[in-house]
Amino acid sequence: EILLTQSPGFQSVSPKERVTITCRASQSIGYNLHWYQQKPGQSPKLLIKYATESFSGVPSRFSGSGSGTDFTLTISSLEAEDAATYYCHQSMSLPWTFGQGTKVDIK
Amino acid sequence: QVQLVESGGGVVQPGRSLRLSCSASGNSFRNYAFHWVRQAPGKGPEWVAVISSNGNNKDVADSVRGRFTVSRDNSKDTLYLEMNSLRREDTAVYYCARVGYGDYLEYWGQGTLVIVSS
Repeated sequence: EILLTQSPGFQSVSPKERVTITCRASQSIGYNLHWYQQKPGQSPKLLIKYATESFSGVPSRFSGSGSGTDFTLTISSLEAEDAATYYCHQSMSLPWTFGQGTKVDIK
Repeated sequence: QVQLVESGGGVVQPGRSLRLSCSASGNSFRNYAFHWVRQAPGKGPEWVAVISSNGNNKDVADSVRGRFTVSRDNSKDTLYLEMNSLRREDTAVYYCARVGYGDYLEYWGQGTLVIVSS
């Protein structure tokens, strides 16, 4: 099973600041890494697919980078509506696994 | 527009069974693989099961193997999760999710809550 480790677990950030979330895989997964946003009481929503590809309709302030074992989700300029928990997810091999999440709070 | 609606959750005693359903609207249910993903209270998502577009290929997580079965009825645009011998640790919101044009989860249902408790 491929383990995904996210950091940090929590971030409190002021509006317009940059947010960086990292996800490290326990073995190489190529580009098979995806990012989701989840707000309380809602299901996860896809933001980034295959490490770097923005999903349709996602604001341009969200971007992804990385390959192999190290990946990053960046929010270039945080907005109030971005308060949520963010998860990475690998689809390199079954069982699919998710990171433990990074909660982003607005300061 | 694809919509996924789960049903069948509820409170059940340990050792009992429950069947979840996921009804899909929109187009091309039969063309896509579907997954079940669960999320325990305050925890991250956990992958549970996958079924291929024609239902011939399936897999489940080790934590539910031998207890949970995934199936689908393409004539009814419906996905199922049969859960037997339920344990307290199976308590979670269960989501059905559809892949996109690749192995990522593009569409998610709103989830159905399963509580295993005596």
